[in-house]
Amino acid sequence: ELKVEQNPLFLSMQEGKNYTIYCNYSTTSDRLYWYRQDPGKSLESLFVLLSNGAVKQEGRLMASLDTKARLSTLHITAAVHDLSATYFCAVSRTYKYIFGTGTRLKVLA
Amino acid sequence: SAVISQKPSRDICQRGTSLTIQCQVDSQVTMMFWYRQQPGQSLTLIATANQGSEATYESGFVIDKFPISRPNLTFSTLTVSNMSPEDSSIYLCSVSGQETYEQYFGPGTRLTVT
Repeated sequence: ELKVEQNPLFLSMQEGKNYTIYCNYSTTSDRLYWYRQDPGKSLESLFVLLSNGAVKQEGRLMASLDTKARLSTLHITAAVHDLSATYFCAVSRTYKYIFGTGTRLKVLA
Repeated sequence: SAVISQKPSRDICQRGTSLTIQCQVDSQVTMMFWYRQQPGQSLTLIATANQGSEATYESGFVIDKFPISRPNLTFSTLTVSNMSPEDSSIYLCSVSGQETYEQYFGPGTRLTVT
């Protein structure tokens, strides 16, 4: 059974600091996705990682994928309050997603 | 990407009743998915709905409780039957892109059962 774990589950950080969210999955998968969810809102796609070694960056967020280690990271650089949200990774086998547990990020001014 | 709408956006229902949630997409898609997100939790796939075939349900979800229709390539409904307070959740539909299997999510339906 494919399992996806994220850590930390909760993250409170100061503005301007850097931090990394980790996404581990239990069996082979070639595709990994990162989403953002604001309170009371739906999911917004952030990154699609399709191969080992893939790295994508958008603004203060950078995501990477290591399929051999079954690990993806979401790195936050110089956090700002607007990044406060819940971040989910999802791993797919064919067309089905298995979502991670989610990381609730709060950036303090 | 696809533009997805859901109706209703929220509802408060009494125990024992049923609610049908509609999902409309602005383009034709093969696969549509229904998820449940319980308060403060992650998303759990309920079923995959392909046009012209029966929905495929995930472990722990049954057709009698969550009947799904998929009459065409742009529309699907999910019914939550014989509701109990444990069904209080956000229900989201999504569609899948063909090349990367990236999924796009609707705005969700927030259901409260009293």
